[in-house]
Formats: sequence, C-alpha cells, structure tokens
Amino acid sequence: DTAVSQTPKYLVTQMGNDKSIKCEQNLGHDTMYWYKQDSKKFLKIMFSYNNKELIINETVPNRFSPKSPDKAHLNLHINSLELGDSAVYFCASSQGYTGIGNEQFFGPGTRLTVL
Amino acid sequence: GDSVTQMEGPVTLSEEAFLTINCTYTATGYPSLFWYVQYPGEGLQLLLKATKADDKGSNKGFEATYRKETTSFHLEKGSVQVSDSAVYFCALSDQANAGKSTFGDGTTLTVKP
Repeated sequence: DTAVSQTPKYLVTQMGNDKSIKCEQNLGHDTMYWYKQDSKKFLKIMFSYNNKELIINETVPNRFSPKSPDKAHLNLHINSLELGDSAVYFCASSQGYTGIGNEQFFGPGTRLTVL
Repeated sequence: GDSVTQMEGPVTLSEEAFLTINCTYTATGYPSLFWYVQYPGEGLQLLLKATKADDKGSNKGFEATYRKETTSFHLEKGSVQVSDSAVYFCALSDQANAGKSTFGDGTTLTVKP
C-alpha cells in the first residue's frame, strides 16, 4: 500500500494551460504539504495544511491554489502555467507539526514540464 | 529567519570510504533536525533525526549528532556502499515557525565500486 500517492506522475502541458495535481495519504496524518523541487534539486515548501486549514503559505504566485477537501487529500491547482513552473512537485504528510520531531512522508513526485 | 547550509556537492567516493556531509543551521527557536535521502526518481525519505541537543540519530550505518554549541548536524558513515548513492538533505523544523521545515540545498553522493 502506497503511503503518500500523487497523480499524475508526469504532466506535460503548454504554457497558459490550467492543470491539477492530486495527492492522497493513507497514514491517518493531519498535516499535509506541497513542495517544489527545481532542476538543481533545491526543495522549497509552498503550502502546508493542518486538519484542512492552511497554516503555511510561502511566497507563491496566486496562480497556485491548494485545496484540501479532507485530511487525507491535498490537491494543487495551477492556473496559466508558465515555463518557470516546470519542476518536480512533491506532496508530503506528517502527524502533527514537524517542529517536535515528527517526520514527513513524501510522495513519489509529479514532474511537470511546461512547453 | 531559519536557514540550513549544507556542504556543497557533488561528492564522489570509492566503496568503503568514510563519508562526512557537513550541515549547519540557524534557527530562532529550538529546532528538530533531520537528514532525508532521495534516491534517483523517488521522493525523499527520512534517514535519521534528532530533537534536542546532544541527541544522536542513527540508521543504516549513518549517524549525526545535534550540536547546539556549533549549530551543526553533520552526517557520517564509516563505510559507504554503491547503494548509498543518492541526494542527501539536511533539514530543520522550528516550532517557533509553525513547524515549517527548511531544507538545505542537498548534496549529491556518488559511490564508485
């Protein structure tokens, strides 16, 4: 059983399109995250939700909109895609806040390529 | 704000060599510290962690000690294997910052037979 799953694994699209990435975790965790990893492997947090409530919203263009329909799901919708959005997007989850030592469990990633 | 500085890569070692990847941090509160590993084409997975000063995390032959006085969490392994080839990330999570995780830039390790 996959703990954190993401769909799709690969996404190739044209500039200006709108796309969504879905994430589901079956670990019973209450906190979920979206990260962006660029071509140099740098990893930056984008959003974090705790019990469906947004708790971290980094400096991300408002073309990116997360949505958490329930504790097990955190989706990412991207409007008007740009070339610079090309990256690997990782979903992750944890039980509670990581500041007290709780580890994050990462999904396999979604490689987004904008042409 | 919080920050993590990792030894720059890439690092290339021969099998059975000793590994050290340096990591230092800056945090406003009392962070928990983590090492994550990313194998090619996969997501990150926890390698080890430490939650307070002088704690030592260990797993699969890797070790790291939380040093508050030097704000460091260096990763070590006595004898690396080809299968250890991966990208290693040092990270901190600070309760004072809504539990937000800050990651280092990653260090790519290649182990040659």
